[in-house]
Amino acid sequence: GAGVSQSPSNKVTEKGKDVELRCDPISGHTALYWYRQSLGQGLEFLIYFQGNSAPDKSGLPSDRFSAERTGGSVSTLTIQRTQQEDSAVYLCASSSTFMNTEAFFGQGTRLTVV
Amino acid sequence: AQKITQTQPGMFVQEKEAVTLDCTYDTSDPSYGLFWYKQPSSGEMIFLIYQGSYDQQNATEGRYSLNFQKARKSANLVISASQLGDSAMYFCAMINAGNMLTFGGGTRLMVKP
Repeated sequence: GAGVSQSPSNKVTEKGKDVELRCDPISGHTALYWYRQSLGQGLEFLIYFQGNSAPDKSGLPSDRFSAERTGGSVSTLTIQRTQQEDSAVYLCASSSTFMNTEAFFGQGTRLTVV
Repeated sequence: AQKITQTQPGMFVQEKEAVTLDCTYDTSDPSYGLFWYKQPSSGEMIFLIYQGSYDQQNATEGRYSLNFQKARKSANLVISASQLGDSAMYFCAMINAGNMLTFGGGTRLMVKP
């Protein structure tokens, strides 16, 4: 596609349920990033991928969070046993190999845990 | 580890005036890049400007310029002739050679008519 696509755009889930968020990056982009943003706050780094591997998983808040990327393309972020504090906008971004190119962001998934 | 610090949670500026948004960074990597993004209330992230660590000149893009002071590890964004549409959150970010991209906490800019 022309841009980074995230789905769903909105997700309301009950506490304790698992959710899966999807990110479809720009074709050919090797780097893919996941961030979390609470209302009016900054971007909290979660994880990033270089191809299919994740050099840095240190940002994942707990072992309930996991992410994978297959085929160097689509990535899924899974949150198990969701808690109310997981409510936030989850942003995905992708960029090319070259450091001097900007990251392109998706529109985000707004997750609400009730 | 790399870190980005934006010390101004919120700022006001009068329309048509210039404003400087502060950003300092910390990294041990010799090669890195610095970005500024704008996030209006709609939530989208808009790329504004890029500065490479080896660039000799400060980056400029229209009304945006980046005041890069490498020795002080600062990369302040200067917006000239502020417009009402400039009201938004502004994020400074740094990328290293391994493509790790880290953001600061952001500055909310409000332009007064």
